[in-house]
Amino acid sequence: AQKVTQAQTEISVVEKEDVTLDCVYETRDTTYYLFWYKQPPSGELVFLIRRNSFDEQNEISGRYSWNFQKSTSSFNFTITASQVVDSAVYFCALSGPSGGSYIPTFGRGTSLIVHP
Amino acid sequence: SQTIHQWPATLVQPVGSPLSLECTVEGTSNPNLYWYRQAAGRGLQLLFYSVGIGQISSEVPQNLSASRPQDRQFILSSKKLLLSDSGFYLCAWSVRLGAKNEQYFGPGTRLTVT
Repeated sequence: AQKVTQAQTEISVVEKEDVTLDCVYETRDTTYYLFWYKQPPSGELVFLIRRNSFDEQNEISGRYSWNFQKSTSSFNFTITASQVVDSAVYFCALSGPSGGSYIPTFGRGTSLIVHP
Repeated sequence: SQTIHQWPATLVQPVGSPLSLECTVEGTSNPNLYWYRQAAGRGLQLLFYSVGIGQISSEVPQNLSASRPQDRQFILSSKKLLLSDSGFYLCAWSVRLGAKNEQYFGPGTRLTVT
């Protein structure tokens, strides 16, 4: 079975602070994919990044960066110099063969509140 | 480019009334389609998914049903709504084939059952 844990229910920061959202996963698959999605107050989930299990290279996209560590089964997301527009719920997800028809397993989400 | 539409955006329905939510995708063929519900507390609950016309898989037995009458159309229905059906309903699509495909979500329908 697959499992994704986002232990942080809510994080509150002040604008320009750096913030890291944690994601820990469990799977018995050797090939799997990890995702991050953003859900702003409007409600629509927006895909941010996909990472496969064979690529542990960290990725940076502007103020966003992702740290994938297979040894600790973690795929953490860092926002540098946070802005009010970053306020949203962020979901981590895992997809692999043991999930059944490759249906992704989502974490429960972390609500990020960035205060001006 | 691909787009996904959902309607209505908001809906208030009395208990016992029927429900029909529609989702359509443009700009792609043979997508996987999904219905999720998000109740207060944020978690995403997968309700149904479909890999083709007329092919529906149910993840959670409940008061709802789904149909896929056309390749890019996915409908969520209920004959009699319950209070517990209130929530935010999201439709999503993904390209077929394998685990690597990210999902693209529609704008959602906020349903309140009174």
